[in-house]
Amino acid sequence: ETGVTQSPTHLIKTRGQQVTLRCSSQSGHNTVSWYQQALGQGPQFIFQYYREEENGRGNFPPRFSGLQFPNYSSELNVNALELDDSALYLCASSPGLAEETQYFGPGTRLLVL
Amino acid sequence: LAKTTQPISMDSYEGQEVNITCSHNNIATNDYITWYQQFPSQGPRFIIQGYKTKVTNEVASLFIPADRKSSTLSLPRVSLSDTAVYYCLVGDIRRSNTGKLIFGQGTTLQVKP
Repeated sequence: ETGVTQSPTHLIKTRGQQVTLRCSSQSGHNTVSWYQQALGQGPQFIFQYYREEENGRGNFPPRFSGLQFPNYSSELNVNALELDDSALYLCASSPGLAEETQYFGPGTRLLVL
Repeated sequence: LAKTTQPISMDSYEGQEVNITCSHNNIATNDYITWYQQFPSQGPRFIIQGYKTKVTNEVASLFIPADRKSSTLSLPRVSLSDTAVYYCLVGDIRRSNTGKLIFGQGTTLQVKP
């Protein structure tokens, strides 16, 4: 157990809808990163938040956005869902920037129909 | 961040030692080598990290030759529960400052009874 939780575990949406995924980091972890993992692929970095501000972004369009809250929770929002957005979404927290270890949650499985 | 190449899959039997080799020919001077393990429907879990020579912890050993262009993760006496995907990552997490971990496709290890 990493102490990182995510909700919901599974979600089904239709194309064009919006979705919000939630993550609760370990207490004291002020850094959270989000990853998208398509079936059979490794996780792909979406972005990182540090002290409630975006601190780095991967190759994902602006319809992927996030929020981080002072209580060690965070959100990933995806607007205008596309079929290719179907994936496992993972959040990972760490005690600070540039830590050697990130602690991953179990992920949210999103299916877009 | 350096690109990595590892076998897509490997088979082993319970009780055997398993060695998974990762190639990273363009590793940079400040890069570390990190291995993660991922079970189905779970997030990746940090296994071990090293810079050169040999690192050992309670789970695995990591062997890195002098030229650092490859590394080998060694799992002693595997059990069925070691069946998972193993990812080799190369990069300077400490300096990247964005939390961006770059995962390849990983090596799917199947342990048989």
